[in-house]
Order: sequence, then structure tokens, then C-alpha cells
Amino acid sequence: DTAVSQTPKYLVTQMGNDKSIKCEQNLGHDTMYWYKQDSKKFLKIMFSYNNKELIINETVPNRFSPKSPDKAHLNLHINSLELGDSAVYFCASSQVLAATNEKLFFGSGTQLSVL
Amino acid sequence: AQKITQTQPGMFVQEKEAVTLDCTYDTSDPSYGLFWYKQPSSGEMIFLIYQGSYDQQNATEGRYSLNFQKARKSANLVISASQLGDSAMYFCAMREASGSARQLTFGSGTQLTVLP
Repeated sequence: DTAVSQTPKYLVTQMGNDKSIKCEQNLGHDTMYWYKQDSKKFLKIMFSYNNKELIINETVPNRFSPKSPDKAHLNLHINSLELGDSAVYFCASSQVLAATNEKLFFGSGTQLSVL
Repeated sequence: AQKITQTQPGMFVQEKEAVTLDCTYDTSDPSYGLFWYKQPSSGEMIFLIYQGSYDQQNATEGRYSLNFQKARKSANLVISASQLGDSAMYFCAMREASGSARQLTFGSGTQLTVLP
């Protein structure tokens, strides 16, 4: 059983379209995250949710909107896609938000290509 | 300022030899955790090892060990007896106890290639 699963694995779309990436974790974790990995492999946090509440919202354009229907799911919706949105998007989860020793469990990533 | 610095964009090591991947960090928080993750070419992020700022001993996990030098603010990953399957991107990361939401911040990564 996959611990953190995200779909789709690949997403190719035209500029201006709206798309969603889904993420689910079956670990019973309280906290979920979205990270963006750019073409230089740099990983940067976008959002963090703890028990369905938004905790972190880094300087991400309003076109990106996370939705957490329950604590096992954190979906990412992107409006009006731009070329610069092309990247790998990782969903992750951790048991609790607060502890410094909490490791993140990552999904396998979604390669988004905007044409 | 960068919180995590990995100065080696790429490293090569001969199979069966040991290799050290460098990581320095910047924090004024006395309580923090340091992590290493591996990202093979298939893309997934694999947790390798953790070191807490108050841990007295260096962390070890199988062939991985963390050379933690607190005064120097360095947390180098040592991989012993390298295998071809160790070829991957390696990321150092830190979580501070203070600050907004205790997010995990990553370095820029080191691409390790193991040569046969």
C-alpha cells in the first residue's frame, strides 16, 4: 500500500488551462504539504495544512489554491497555468506539525509541463 | 540568507569506497533537526537519516552516518561502501523549533555518481 499517493504522475497541458493534482495519505498523519521542485532541483514549500487548516502559505501566486476536504487529502488546484509553473510538485505528510524530528513522507511527484 | 548550504553540485565516487556529502546550516534556534533525503532518477524522495540538535552521538543508519559538528554548523552525510544504486541526488534539510510552522527547508542538493 502506497503511503502518500498523488495523481497524476505526469500532466501536460496548455497555457491558460486549469488543472488539479490530488494527494492522499493513508498514514493517519495530521499534517500535509505541497512542495515545488524547479528545473534546478530546488525544493521549496508552497503550503502546509494541519488537520485541514492552512498553516503555511508561502509566496505562491493566488492561482494556486490548496483544498483539504479531510486530513487524509490535500489537493492542489492551479488556475490559468503559465509556462513558469512547469515543475515537479510533491505532496508530503508528517505525523505532527510541531516536532523538530518529524520526517516527511513524500509522494512520488507530479511532473507538470505547461506548453 | 540560505539556511541550508550544499556546496558540491556534483560528486563522483568509486564503487565500494566511502564518500562524504557536505552540508552546512544556519540557525540561531538551539532546537532543530537535520535530515538527509535521497532522490534517485525515478524521482521519489527517500528519507535516509535524522540528527537532532541535542543528540550527543552522530546518527547512523546502516551504511549512512551523519558527521554532526554543532560548533561548525555542519551535518555531513557519509556513505560507506558505495554501491551503484547510491547514484542519486542527495538533499540536506533542516527544521527549526521556532519560526513559522516549523517547515522543512532543503538545500540545493548534491548529485552523486557512483562509478563501477
